Amino acid sequence: GQNIDQPTEMTATEGAIVQINCTYQTSGFNGLFWYQQHAGEAPTFLSYNVLDGLEEKGRFSSFLSRSKGYSYLLLKELQMKDSASYLCAVRDLSRRGGSQGNLIFGKGTKLSVKP
Amino acid sequence: DTAVSQTPKYLVTQMGNDKSIKCEQNLGHDTMYWYKQDSKKFLKIMFSYNNKELIINETVPNRFSPKSPDKAHLNLHINSLELGDSAVYFCASSQARTSGVWGPDTQYFGPGTRLTVL
Repeated sequence: GQNIDQPTEMTATEGAIVQINCTYQTSGFNGLFWYQQHAGEAPTFLSYNVLDGLEEKGRFSSFLSRSKGYSYLLLKELQMKDSASYLCAVRDLSRRGGSQGNLIFGKGTKLSVKP
Repeated sequence: DTAVSQTPKYLVTQMGNDKSIKCEQNLGHDTMYWYKQDSKKFLKIMFSYNNKELIINETVPNRFSPKSPDKAHLNLHINSLELGDSAVYFCASSQARTSGVWGPDTQYFGPGTRLTVL
């Protein structure tokens, strides 16, 4: 089976840095995704990690350690528009779907950015 | 030039009715999906489908059936709607191969359909 854990809620201040952690247990790991979802909108793709290390994309970075079953999403220079839910999703080869396994989502972390 | 579109955006209906939600993608992707997001915002896969294979999540009731008239469309038909079917339903699509190389198979989501069953 699989289990994905991330904090339910976080609060941070505009201009600050915040790190959202995600731990996972899965039998057929084949990549980890981070999605951003604003209230009432669709999830939008932020980042993808399949090898250990840090992937940087502007203000957002994502880190993966496969041996620890751990990832984090780092948001720098926070802006009010970053207030959203952040979804960690693991692709699991043991769950067939698409061509490379199904995406299994965590329950999301609701981030509130305050002035 | 919306990449993944869904209709309708809102759907309010009575228990016991049959309804359909349509999804279209213009990205040329080979795989499409349906997800259900419940009131607690938990996003769960229902189906994945490409022109060769339909994969059904074992927890999905057989009242739900995906129908694909062609590669760019995957509609969701729901029979005998129940109160517990109220949720937001998202369609998504992905492309496994890009120029002959396996890609991350990133999924791109439609805007969602909010279904309310009364």
